[in-house]
Amino acid sequence: DTAVSQTPKYLVTQMGNDKSIKCEQNLGHDTMYWYKQDSKKFLKIMFSYNNKELIINETVPNRFSPKSPDKAHLNLHINSLELGDSAVYFCASSSSGGSYEQYFGPGTRLTVT
Amino acid sequence: AQSVAQPEDQVNVAEGNPLTVKCTYSVSGNPYLFWYVQYPNRGLQFLLKYITGDNLVKGSYGFEAEFNKSQTSFHLKKPSALVSDSALYFCAVRERSGGATNKLIFGTGTLLAVQP
Repeated sequence: DTAVSQTPKYLVTQMGNDKSIKCEQNLGHDTMYWYKQDSKKFLKIMFSYNNKELIINETVPNRFSPKSPDKAHLNLHINSLELGDSAVYFCASSSSGGSYEQYFGPGTRLTVT
Repeated sequence: AQSVAQPEDQVNVAEGNPLTVKCTYSVSGNPYLFWYVQYPNRGLQFLLKYITGDNLVKGSYGFEAEFNKSQTSFHLKKPSALVSDSALYFCAVRERSGGATNKLIFGTGTLLAVQP
């Protein structure tokens, strides 16, 4: 069973389009995250939700909008895609009960042309 | 501000030899430290963590890490490297901002190449 899953795995789209990435976790965690990994492999957190409440919102263009319909799901919608949005986006989850480590999904490679 | 530094972009080691991947941290107070591994085209996998207690932490796949408070380091080690250990390794520190936030700040990554 996959612990943290993301769809799609690959996403190729043109500038200006709107796209969504979905994430689901079956670990029973209450906190979920979106990370962006750039071409140099640098990882940076974008958003985090705890029990469906947004708790981390880094300096991210407002074209990016996360949504958490329930504790097990976190989606990322991106409007008006730009070339610079090309990256690998990782979803992760953790428990706020004190173990702190985060578990990552396989990533979604977004290519904007 | 909390941060971690991985001073080596790449570490090369022969199979069977011991390996060390370096990490230093800068935090106020006691740090929560983590190591993750990323294989090509895969997500990050949790290897081990230091929260409190014994300075030598054992993790997955035979890896261990030593927390050294005086040197503010948390180096990843393995006694005998395998070719299959070749991957990108990330050190991370939990930002101490309180509340429910569990923000991890990652280092820039170190590529480990194990030669047969």
